[in-house]
Amino acid sequence: AQSVTQPDIHITVSEGASLELRCNYSYGATPYLFWYVQSPGQGLQLLLKYFSGDTLVQGIKGFEAEFKRSQSSFNLRKPSVHWSDAAEYFCAVLLDSNYQLIWGAGTKLIIKP
Amino acid sequence: GAGVSQTPSNKVTEKGKYVELRCDPISGHTALYWYRQSLGQGPEFLIYFQGTGAADDSGLPNDRFFAVRPEGSVSTLKIQRTERGDSAVYLCASSLTLTDTQYFGPGTRLTVL
Repeated sequence: AQSVTQPDIHITVSEGASLELRCNYSYGATPYLFWYVQSPGQGLQLLLKYFSGDTLVQGIKGFEAEFKRSQSSFNLRKPSVHWSDAAEYFCAVLLDSNYQLIWGAGTKLIIKP
Repeated sequence: GAGVSQTPSNKVTEKGKYVELRCDPISGHTALYWYRQSLGQGPEFLIYFQGTGAADDSGLPNDRFFAVRPEGSVSTLKIQRTERGDSAVYLCASSLTLTDTQYFGPGTRLTVL
């Protein structure tokens, strides 16, 4: 069955430090992959997406993600985090069979001053 | 332009009551999706519409849940005989086509007492 795994429930990072959030997926076909961010009381906002082409994808707010087919991964990175990045981050895969988004359980990012 | 809007933002009801949750998608978006998000989890697919018809309702948990989109724009999610387990945030999203980015509303927080 298709699934998305975000192995880290919480991650704590110092402000200014680099960040990597992990995402692994299980899907037989070529995946359409997404990262969304959800701040308290806010809706889900798209950070970036991968459909095809260059495996390193640039997104908003200085985020990037790299699609690695051999590892079934789509990890999210940022070179230097800001306090405003504290939020919950969700990885998702779009099934082209029925156009559902399958979501990971999310990673809560905590920023230390 | 205006994003996806959902009303009400919060709904508190008693067990056994009927509720309706409304979603106004982005103008011109033909695809509309409903998801449910429980605390500490990623969103869970419920149903999606392409135009007026429900293209896939396989995520609806049981026959107490029903959704309509009569004119291909606004959608209403209807829950009969609510149960405490229905308490969650109900998210609506729309996209231009089925493989385009899904844009999310702020959600309706449903609490069943």
